Order: sequence, then C-alpha cells, then structure tokens
Amino acid sequence: AQTVTQSQPEMSVQEAETVTLSCTYDTSENNYYLFWYKQPPSRQMILVIRQEAYKQQNATENRFSVNFQKAAKSFSLKISDSQLGDTAMYFCAFSASTGAQKLVFGQGTRLTINP
Amino acid sequence: GAVVSQHPSRVICKSGTSVKIECRSLDFQATTMFWYRQFPKQSLMLMATSNEGSKATYEQGVEKDKFLINHASLTLSTLTVTSAHPEDSSFYICSAKGPMNTEAFFGQGTRLTVV
Repeated sequence: AQTVTQSQPEMSVQEAETVTLSCTYDTSENNYYLFWYKQPPSRQMILVIRQEAYKQQNATENRFSVNFQKAAKSFSLKISDSQLGDTAMYFCAFSASTGAQKLVFGQGTRLTINP
Repeated sequence: GAVVSQHPSRVICKSGTSVKIECRSLDFQATTMFWYRQFPKQSLMLMATSNEGSKATYEQGVEKDKFLINHASLTLSTLTVTSAHPEDSSFYICSAKGPMNTEAFFGQGTRLTVV
C-alpha cells in the first residue's frame, strides 16, 4: 500500500517570501503521479502542480515548483514570492498510473501568509 | 480544467433519515468517480471508488449498507447516507476522472449535518 507523509502540520511566512513544503511517500510502483493540491477556506480542492514519475525534470507552474527526488521518494513544493491568497491547506497526493488511480493524500500542511 | 458539480453544498437532516448527494461531470465522461470524507482539520479519506455501470469498491472500514453509491451514468454518481446519525456529520467530497485523464477533478463538497 502507498503512504504519503507531510511532516509539517503548520507553516507561516511573510508575504513575498519563499516557502517550501515537504512531502515523502512510499510505494513499490515504478510508474505513478504526484500532486500538490490547495484547499482554501472554501474547501474546494484545487490542483496546484502535477509530476509524472517517469519525468526527471521538475514540474513548474508560475510561482510553484517541485523538487522531485525519486530515489529518496521525496516531493517538496516551493512557493516563490508568496501571496496572501496562497494561505490554505496544502495536500501532497500520490496516484498509481494504472488501475483505479485513486489518490492517497498526506496529512496536509496549513500554510499562512502574513502581510 | 474539467468541471465537476456536487450538490447540495450544505444539508441538514434529522437523525434516522437518509440523504442523497449528487456528483456530476459537466463537460466530460467520468468513467471513474471517487467519494471522500473529510473531518475538520484533517485530510481526505477515500470511502469508495465507483466505475460506471458496476458496483462500487469500498475502502476497508467503510460500511457498504450505510453509504450507498450509485454510478448509473457516465456523468452522474450519487452517495446516499442511509439512516444518518450525528457521527455521520462531515464534509463529503467527490472527484471524477475520464478515461484519458491523468488527474481527477473535484466537486465543491457537501457539508452534512445530522441533528
């Protein structure tokens, strides 16, 4: 079975700073996907970024980038130039690339951006 | 991205009654739908996976007779909480995935309160 671990329950940074959220996972699969989701107070799940395990290049979406270390089973999210609207719960998630492809979520990190 | 609509967004029901939650994919055919439950300040817990036209696959510990899932068409899945009790009060979220999608798309969630 796959597991996803987020070891930082809460983080807080000042606006415009850079922040990195940690995530590790465990799996015996060779092909899989990794995701970071944002859940603001509205509780709507929003996909932030996605990484295919077979790709060595780290995914980037504007101010969001990941550091994917496959051998270490690590998948951290870096938010650059943080904004007040980035305040939310962030969940790291794993999905196998075959079968039902259900998402396995980490415990979440509550990120607060202070003005 | 694709749109998934979940209704109702909030529902209050009396203990002992049943309540139905709908999850619709508006612009794609959802061959697979997922139902999650989220307690306050916790992560999403997968309850079941449903494929169109077949019986849902429930996660360990989830009562099939309590949480009835029907995925009768490629655009609609329903979750019925039968004989609801206060401990069933929670936030329920659906997600949907098409055959060509590598990611699932989330509904807005339903806050269920059983009084």
